[in-house]
Amino acid sequence: AQKITQTQPGMFVQEKEAVTLDCTYDTSDPSYGLFWYKQPSSGEMIFLIYQGSYDQQNATEGRYSLNFQKARKSANLVISASQLGDSAMYFCAMREAEDSGGGADGLTFGKGTHLIIQP
Amino acid sequence: DAEITQSPRHKITETGRQVTLACHQTWNHNNMFWYRQDLGHGLRLIHYSYGVQDTNKGEVSDGYSVSRSNTEDLPLTLESAASSQTSVYFCASSESKVTKNIQYFGAGTRLSVL
Repeated sequence: AQKITQTQPGMFVQEKEAVTLDCTYDTSDPSYGLFWYKQPSSGEMIFLIYQGSYDQQNATEGRYSLNFQKARKSANLVISASQLGDSAMYFCAMREAEDSGGGADGLTFGKGTHLIIQP
Repeated sequence: DAEITQSPRHKITETGRQVTLACHQTWNHNNMFWYRQDLGHGLRLIHYSYGVQDTNKGEVSDGYSVSRSNTEDLPLTLESAASSQTSVYFCASSESKVTKNIQYFGAGTRLSVL
């Protein structure tokens, strides 16, 4: 079974609109971390935002926020006031056992959502 | 500025050849990782290391090896390259024992095995 599911292979959004990228995850570990990365056409992976499973509040970083619904096991990325430069692939990722051993284990990634912002 | 660099950025090789991809970070991070990215699969973990002399297998480690002789470098070796190993390879690093433990990625190496 997939641990990270991103159900939107592609999205077209009008510039300046808000965007929600879906991510659901599967884990039995009570301690985990959720990450979102952006991959523009140039190919690099850019960290956007992090949410820990014990965090009480939804994470925010500038125009990015994470809609964390623990009971539903969802961690949707919200981009407010989208810009043309937001066009990219977006990956949701998870690391389990956040509170053990320094968290050195690798990330499990979803397959990504290709977001295209239209003028 | 601290950074993580991968070389080469592009590589074409033939099946059966040994190939080594370099990864060098100046963050002084203990943790280093190798992933491969294929269409339809996202990124998948190949190997990772907690520190010098430590290496661990990831989800897709068959046909790959790594060694960690210092903090800065984690080279990835394909012992006998196969066409199925055509992919984009990413190296990443993270600091130990820190909340969030964000992984920072290199720019990637595009490998073609013909």
